[in-house]
Amino acid sequence: ETGVTQTPRHLVMGMTNKKSLKCEQHLGHNAMYWYKQSAKKPLELMFVYSLEERVENNSVPSRFSPECPNSSHLFLHLHTLQPEDSALYLCASSQERGQGQPQHFGDGTRLSIL
Amino acid sequence: SQQGEEDPQALSIQEGENATMNCSYKTSINNLQWYRQNSGRGLVHLILIRSNEREKHSGRLRVTLDTSKKSSSLLITASRAADTASYFCATASSVGTYKYIFGTGTRLKVLA
Repeated sequence: ETGVTQTPRHLVMGMTNKKSLKCEQHLGHNAMYWYKQSAKKPLELMFVYSLEERVENNSVPSRFSPECPNSSHLFLHLHTLQPEDSALYLCASSQERGQGQPQHFGDGTRLSIL
Repeated sequence: SQQGEEDPQALSIQEGENATMNCSYKTSINNLQWYRQNSGRGLVHLILIRSNEREKHSGRLRVTLDTSKKSSSLLITASRAADTASYFCATASSVGTYKYIFGTGTRLKVLA
């Protein structure tokens, strides 16, 4: 499924670097999400945007900064990350933010912090 | 926490056999969804079952929901090697929030 595209697919960065993850959805959805997936842990919801407005910040450290310039694009800006931030970062979208909405996921960015 | 917990953590079966995975949760839910994740890929939505439904089918998939036991099962019939993936349940609370809480998943391996 190519409805949600994430770039880059892999990213290796040092703790002092600044980088950004990009997500683009071609489904005409109004809600977009960032998740973190670490080995042997449940998927963690990080941020939720609805109609370009941030509606959820799930106690995420400030070294992660999301941006949603329009309903089709979502960014995750990274700065001064820690080794424990190494994970797969998944972007998802849904038609609306409400209940009963299937989420469509991208293939993720595999992030490694040196 | 209403986190879904899948059981078993890992399952290995022969092609053609049926695979059953279970999900338990802790609080009242509005609906429950099942997702599949192939290695190195994102999650793919499989099926949604609402709290007033007991069973739902989609192709070779059969999902049941028992709200009295706070549990759901996903049955894949006549499994194929292509069904090899991790399977996750995601629950949505019946109170307030629209958030889905995902479990840690069942890793299914179908041997050809």
